[in-house]
Amino acid sequence: AQKVTQAQTEISVVEKEDVTLDCVYETRDTTYYLFWYKQPPSGELVFLIRRNSFDEQNEISGRYSWNFQKSTSSFNFTITASQVVDSAVYFCALSESAGTALIFGKGTTLSVSS
Amino acid sequence: DAGVTQSPTHLIKTRGQQVTLRCSPKSGHDTVSWYQQALGQGPQFIFQYYEEEERQRGNFPDRFSGHQFPNYSSELNVNALLLGDSALYLCASSPGQGYEKLFFGSGTQLSVL
Repeated sequence: AQKVTQAQTEISVVEKEDVTLDCVYETRDTTYYLFWYKQPPSGELVFLIRRNSFDEQNEISGRYSWNFQKSTSSFNFTITASQVVDSAVYFCALSESAGTALIFGKGTTLSVSS
Repeated sequence: DAGVTQSPTHLIKTRGQQVTLRCSPKSGHDTVSWYQQALGQGPQFIFQYYEEEERQRGNFPDRFSGHQFPNYSSELNVNALLLGDSALYLCASSPGQGYEKLFFGSGTQLSVL
């Protein structure tokens, strides 16, 4: 069965702290895609990254970085030097092939205070 | 360039009623998906429309139905509303059926009393 687990329900940090959001997934497929989305208070989900199962290279985009480890079925997301604008709900998601529905975790609410 | 637009933004209905939610995809996108997001939960896939046909469906009862128009806009209809249907309904569009990058609207908040 396909499943995405985000064990951290809420995280609170102070500005400039680094924070890591955990994501663990379950799938029987060898080909799959992993995603991170950000949901600010306005409600829309904002795409952050898509990674396929054959690409285990870590990725960095500005203050954001992602660590994909197939051996532990994890796809963790780190924000370096967090800012108040990073406050949002972050979702990890899985799709088992291109074009299939996304399966989302329950999300992690990140609160960054100044 | 307008993104995904949904209407209305908020809606209040009573049990047993029917509701229609609307979605206009991002320009150039021909595929529309609908998700239901209950409070404190992640979005759950309802169905996907492409070329005016339902292509995939999640684990939702037949009370949930949809339609896609020739201009790619879409409607989500829910009949015989239940209290448990109260949720944020999100529409997402993409160019083609792939999931390279889904663009989401801000959603319609449905409250069933």
